Amino acid sequence: EAQVTQNPRYLITVTGKKLTVTCSQNMNHEYMSWYRQDPGLGLRQIYYSMNVEVTDKGDVPEGYKVSRKEKRNFPLILESPSPNQTSLYFCASSVTGGGWGTEAFFGQGTRLTVV
Amino acid sequence: DAKTTQPNSMESNEEEPVHLPCNHSTISGTDYIHWYRQLPSQGPEYVIHGLTSNVNNRMASLAIAEDRKSSTLILHRATLRDAAVYYCILRGILYGSSNTGKLIFGQGTTLQVKP
Repeated sequence: EAQVTQNPRYLITVTGKKLTVTCSQNMNHEYMSWYRQDPGLGLRQIYYSMNVEVTDKGDVPEGYKVSRKEKRNFPLILESPSPNQTSLYFCASSVTGGGWGTEAFFGQGTRLTVV
Repeated sequence: DAKTTQPNSMESNEEEPVHLPCNHSTISGTDYIHWYRQLPSQGPEYVIHGLTSNVNNRMASLAIAEDRKSSTLILHRATLRDAAVYYCILRGILYGSSNTGKLIFGQGTTLQVKP
């Protein structure tokens, strides 16, 4: 089954304690990205990757890091989480990022609370 | 980034057709029109996309105006499981542009389906 898998689904952590949210896709997609969803602000792109070893900042990259060492994995790293990073996070992948008919597949989301 | 405008909410009765409108008057010639939906507590889910011609798939139909400045997502027989937030999104070309491949989610249309 084609899918994007995120882990964990729920996480409560303390300020400053480094954490990683994993994302894996089984569709051999080149393009992967991370979004955060906040009430009243909708979904906003954090980082994206057009292919292995190619990553770039989205609209809200501050406080986050990513890596793309393998095509299937795109982890989101919070080196020193702060309460303003409390949010619902989604990983997404698609064949490419271009507009020519590429549907995006989203993970089930990770609800992160930083206290 | 080209913007879309959708009604905040709509209601439908179960088993009846639903027409969800979207205005995108600043659409460019290379923008594809994508529709996603987000069910409660889930990640966004691809519904349908198109460029100029009307499109049908197992989930819905997409009717695109001749000038491409508006489109309508049609659910032929609404079910209770179709209750969700529906997003109309423009996705442009990637390479050779400043586009990051991100999906720009507005506030969407919250669809309520009454039994």
